[in-house]
Amino acid sequence: NAGVMQNPRHLVRRRGQEARLRCSPMKGHSHVYWYRQLPEEGLKFMVYLQKENIIDESGMPKERFSAEFPKEGPSILRIQQVVRGDSAAYFCASSPPGTILGKNIQYFGAGTRLSVL
Amino acid sequence: DQQVKQNSPSLSVQEGRISILNCDYTNSMFDYFLWYKKYPAEGPTFLISISSIKDKNEDGRFTVFLNKSAKHLSLHIVPSQPGDSAVYFCAAIPTGANSKLTFGKGITLSVRP
Repeated sequence: NAGVMQNPRHLVRRRGQEARLRCSPMKGHSHVYWYRQLPEEGLKFMVYLQKENIIDESGMPKERFSAEFPKEGPSILRIQQVVRGDSAAYFCASSPPGTILGKNIQYFGAGTRLSVL
Repeated sequence: DQQVKQNSPSLSVQEGRISILNCDYTNSMFDYFLWYKKYPAEGPTFLISISSIKDKNEDGRFTVFLNKSAKHLSLHIVPSQPGDSAVYFCAAIPTGANSKLTFGKGITLSVRP
């Protein structure tokens, strides 16, 4: 059973370009989460999605960032017109439909390291 | 506003000894806590969790203790092994929520052979 797959592992963009980060959840998982980690910081929640629905986007910047999890295919985190401050590691996590004590254990991918030149 | 605090950035322990990693939180609405371990260039790996209805949870060499009145939890690793060297993140989820992990900044554990 493959884990959470993220690609690309490394992405270099120039200021003003678009970045697309992909995440395929673990088999059988229907919940996807995106987190961002800046240097020397912990992971910060961005968005929580289920198939075709955004459940919680309270951590998403208001502009330039969007996320989707279509019925078919991977979840995509899209950053338009990237700026240097977007340089970070972006981690995707997934969890199964069931819960333990009402909570989901989230399993993480290896991340995409975005560098904006 | 750092709601989950891991105040010690690093810890060095001799192989075979106990490692104690501490975590404090400020949000009294947190009712579920998790520890993740992260190697360089990899994603966080789930280690162990604890619900606020318990004060201890054990899984092999890993034990998590929760002191709700002090808003403090700790991860004990015994005996420590060189392969345990990694960054350890404490994370929390609030009551009524099923997502949105709030992470601390992490503690770098080094286990000396």
